[in-house]
Amino acid sequence: DAGVTQSPTHLIKTRGQHVTLRCSPISGHKSVSWYQQVLGQGPQFIFQYYEKEERGRGNFPDRFSARQFPNYSSELNVNALLLGDSALYLCASSVTGNTEAFFGQGTRLTVV
Amino acid sequence: QQQVKQSPQSLIVQKGGISIINCAYENTAFDYFPWYQQFPGKGPALLIAIRPDVSEKKEGRFTISFNKSAKQFSLHIMDSQPGDSATYFCAAREDFGNEKLTFGTGTRLTIIP
Repeated sequence: DAGVTQSPTHLIKTRGQHVTLRCSPISGHKSVSWYQQVLGQGPQFIFQYYEKEERGRGNFPDRFSARQFPNYSSELNVNALLLGDSALYLCASSVTGNTEAFFGQGTRLTVV
Repeated sequence: QQQVKQSPQSLIVQKGGISIINCAYENTAFDYFPWYQQFPGKGPALLIAIRPDVSEKKEGRFTISFNKSAKQFSLHIMDSQPGDSATYFCAAREDFGNEKLTFGTGTRLTIIP
């Protein structure tokens, strides 16, 4: 069975640019969450979407946005990239949103 | 404000020994406490989880101990093996229909022969 898949796996962007990260949840999972993991720290919650609606938002600036599509896949968008946005971006999926969450391998974003 | 405090930051254990990682939380609304294992370059993998209505849960060599009154929980890895060398994160979630996990800062575990 395919797990949570994220693309791309690695990305290098220049400060001020925009980036789109993609996530496909496990088949049958309707909830997708996004986390940012800075090197040496635990993941920080960014967003949760369930049935295409935003269920939760973490303490991140408005430069961060996300959406969920009818097939339950999701995109995370970050505008006006800063050097501090360099991190591993993780996507997690679950069946309903308050059940076990399974993470993808992440997208390593480097902002130069 | 760090809502889940994890210790130690790093831990070295001999093969066959017991690895113990501790976490403490402040938010009494937390209702679900998972542990994740993360290898370099990989996403976190769910290891074991507990709800506060039980004081202990065991799955193979992994045990969670939970003390609701002290707002503390811990992971015990019995018969630690070199393959257990990884970073471990405790986490907590309010069970109000959202999936927001609050993670600890992580423990880098190294098992030496």
